[in-house]
Amino acid sequence: GAVVSQHPSRVICKSGTSVKIECRSLDFQATTMFWYRQFPKKSLMLMATSNEGSKATYEQGVEKDKFLINHASLTLSTLTVTSAHPEDSSFYICSARPDGVQETQYFGPGTRLLVL
Amino acid sequence: DAKTTQPPSMDCAEGRAANLPCNHSTISGNEYVYWYRQIHSQGPQYIIHGLKNNETNEMASLIITEDRKSSTLILPHATLRDTAVYYCIVRVGIGNTGKLIFGQGTTLQVKP
Repeated sequence: GAVVSQHPSRVICKSGTSVKIECRSLDFQATTMFWYRQFPKKSLMLMATSNEGSKATYEQGVEKDKFLINHASLTLSTLTVTSAHPEDSSFYICSARPDGVQETQYFGPGTRLLVL
Repeated sequence: DAKTTQPPSMDCAEGRAANLPCNHSTISGNEYVYWYRQIHSQGPQYIIHGLKNNETNEMASLIITEDRKSSTLILPHATLRDTAVYYCIVRVGIGNTGKLIFGQGTTLQVKP
């Protein structure tokens, strides 16, 4: 149980295009999900908290118009990197907190984005 | 900012116990300590968490000092597959507003 999936696992796109990454909780509902990104040899950096049915909460320094988050159902959150540039190339990881279990968070396998 | 301090790297012999320390001297009374690990190019894997009592599960044991200012994760019989970056995290915020802020972690290398 407690499986979180991400799609795609890796994506290559041209500079200036937009890329959508999906995060799904497969066997539980999650009102709250989180988006992180990780650069090579660095730790995970929290980008935003995604809340089903309401606007996402972004961490300081993260551009909300650049990284669009939609959490339309209790099992799906999406992150869209708009007008991607090479500096957006990174490992994007989502996590989900099962409803009713505030203390636990499960992570997806990550999506590797390469912008050419 | 992360509220924890960990050594950047540690080695452990295969089959021996791995003891990973973590300092969290500014922890508040209702904040939990979490441990996750990340194997190269994968998402973090939950290991264990605790508030003030020692905890044990099938993966590891968590020992929290009485003053809660530090803790130790114990992998009782380390294997080569336990080689990973181990993150000790104090969750920021409580309840539904809580979130995990990662520090730099400890790179554990298990050697044959």
